[in-house]
Amino acid sequence: GENVEQHPSTLSVQEGDSAVIKCTYSDSASNYFPWYKQELGKRPQLIIDIRSNVGEKKDQRIAVTLNKTAKHFSLHITETQPEDSAVYFCAASRAALNAGGTSYGKLTFGQGTILTVHP
Amino acid sequence: NAGVTQTPKFRVLKTGQSMTLLCAQDMNHEYMYWYRQDPGMGLRLIHYSVGEGTTAKGEVPDGYNVSRLKKQNFLLGLESAAPSQTSVYFCASSYGITDYGYTFGSGTRLTVV
Repeated sequence: GENVEQHPSTLSVQEGDSAVIKCTYSDSASNYFPWYKQELGKRPQLIIDIRSNVGEKKDQRIAVTLNKTAKHFSLHITETQPEDSAVYFCAASRAALNAGGTSYGKLTFGQGTILTVHP
Repeated sequence: NAGVTQTPKFRVLKTGQSMTLLCAQDMNHEYMYWYRQDPGMGLRLIHYSVGEGTTAKGEVPDGYNVSRLKKQNFLLGLESAAPSQTSVYFCASSYGITDYGYTFGSGTRLTVV
């Protein structure tokens, strides 16, 4: 099965700095890579995702890059703010279309990164 | 529209006791999942379902059973709880994983003493 490794386990930055979290995956057939943010005591929430046919995707201050050859992908947060402090999880999936036209897949998550942004 | 609702939110069990965690979604999602979250280990898939009446094993299924008799509900059972099952359990559902990702419930914190 799929195995996802995430680094670092903890990351501490000053407000305004950039933060980078990296993940590697083992299954070369994986084609969908989301990132989830989990604030303390809350449920994980999707913040950005990328499919295997794209190398980079941006959404305001966050971006994700994918290197299929090396089987790794990264989350980049620029101009960090204290409210970015949370646990971030990467995930990978071999998503496939079913007969109904929706995409099925189960996510394998990385171990998580605790990001702390100091004011 | 409540999304994904998990009950109970907290529970303390004694070793050997049994319990059922309920996950209910009102979004007409086909796919439902149970994960456990432990420090330093991320979220690990226990069981999942691709539709009403179906279930399948995930990464860490031992000690758990599931049922999906109705499309909107996915039940996770612990027949004989062990301290190793102390964890936070999250249910998630999905319409199409690459379209909207997972919608998670708020979690159940289970302690087995």
